[in-house]
Amino acid sequence: SQQGEEDPQALSIQEGENATMNCSYKTSINNLQWYRQNSGRGLVHLILIRSNEREKHSGRLRVTLDTSKKSSSLLITASRAADTASYFCATDLGNTGNQFYFGTGTSLTVIP
Amino acid sequence: KAGVTQTPRYLIKTRGQQVTLSCSPISGHRSVSWYQQTPGQGLQFLFEYFSETQRNKGNFPGRFSGRQFSNSRSEMNVSTLELGDSALYLCASRGGTVTDTQYFGPGTRLTVL
Repeated sequence: SQQGEEDPQALSIQEGENATMNCSYKTSINNLQWYRQNSGRGLVHLILIRSNEREKHSGRLRVTLDTSKKSSSLLITASRAADTASYFCATDLGNTGNQFYFGTGTSLTVIP
Repeated sequence: KAGVTQTPRYLIKTRGQQVTLSCSPISGHRSVSWYQQTPGQGLQFLFEYFSETQRNKGNFPGRFSGRQFSNSRSEMNVSTLELGDSALYLCASRGGTVTDTQYFGPGTRLTVL
């Protein structure tokens, strides 16, 4: 079964609004990463947050991590049409850290 | 630095054939991982190579194999292709430690007829 699951599966918002997507995972981790994928192409790395970090920012992106709840959230502020993509979280298995599992993804549509 | 490159980008094969996909990691990266992405199963980990050794393996049949060369370039081979092997195959490279970021290539789209 998947290590991670994103919620919601699909999200549709107007340009300028904020988009929040969540990721839950099952086991302890070393770090969690968020990726974006446009139309079945390669994945673009967005941000990495380590297990000892609680929040991280990168431009319009804000990621939080709650290891007690085994969950993370990705917030995209002031969304743009170009943000339309699928977003995935990826977690390692804490014991080895070298095997990554991806969630099911959130499909974000930003309407101009 | 150049990014992760994968060749070929598109491939069409028939059932029973075999296929080899290639991945060139970012210069200096020693870890290469392979993933299969399908609409039904999502992104699934195939295996990871580090310094020419397979370090981790996902839950795929033995028809899926790989190797890594001394220059860190990696190849993935699928023998006796099945229709269900049609997928986007993604390669990712990173430095090799647990806190390193993974960088993905554009993928190889394999269609099995």
